[in-house]
Amino acid sequence: GAGVSQSPSNKVTEKGKDVELRCDPISGHTALYWYRQSLGQGLEFLIYFQGNSAPDKSGLPSDRFSAERTGGSVSTLTIQRTQQEDSAVYLCASRPQGEGSYEQYFGPGTRLTVT
Amino acid sequence: AQSVTQPDIHITVSEGASLELRCNYSYGATPYLFWYVQSPGQGLQLLLKYFSGDTLVQGIKGFEAEFKRSQSSFNLRKPSVHWSDAAEYFCAVGARGYQKVTFGTGTKLQVIP
Repeated sequence: GAGVSQSPSNKVTEKGKDVELRCDPISGHTALYWYRQSLGQGLEFLIYFQGNSAPDKSGLPSDRFSAERTGGSVSTLTIQRTQQEDSAVYLCASRPQGEGSYEQYFGPGTRLTVT
Repeated sequence: AQSVTQPDIHITVSEGASLELRCNYSYGATPYLFWYVQSPGQGLQLLLKYFSGDTLVQGIKGFEAEFKRSQSSFNLRKPSVHWSDAAEYFCAVGARGYQKVTFGTGTKLQVIP
């Protein structure tokens, strides 16, 4: 079946511009995560959605970052007034509901370059 | 709070040699443990996971890992490495009843002929 998809695969933007990154999770997966992977770094948790619950935004690095998930499916990560330090690969992952289903399924990522 | 340490940033092995990648975690109770692999330009793929039961778990691509509670470790092993195993490997820990998973900083594996 279809996996997690992300678009665009690459995005180059000028400092100060806003960007939107999209994630389409696996159908039926109730949990959705966003991570940031900077060069030489591990995965930095950004935000987590679970069903209709309020999202866990504890990983968002600043108020320039926001995310929404419409209809419990597609999610958009928005970065306003981008800075060069925002350059990274942004990964999305989804997970089915239930105990024992903690493994996450990752998309290929969006490589963001801020010039 | 849970944490994961992967002490080796970069490892080089010869094709056909054995491999062990180290992972140490910090968590007060029995954790969920994972190993993921990331090939260049790709997302992460689950290699194996430990939830409970047998402490030696088998995964895909001939990998295995052993949960050692006394050492707070979950090292990844493969008896004979193939050139296609060159990638970055991430260990991760999750807590029961808690939906977030903490990832290590990764170990980049280079395989030489």
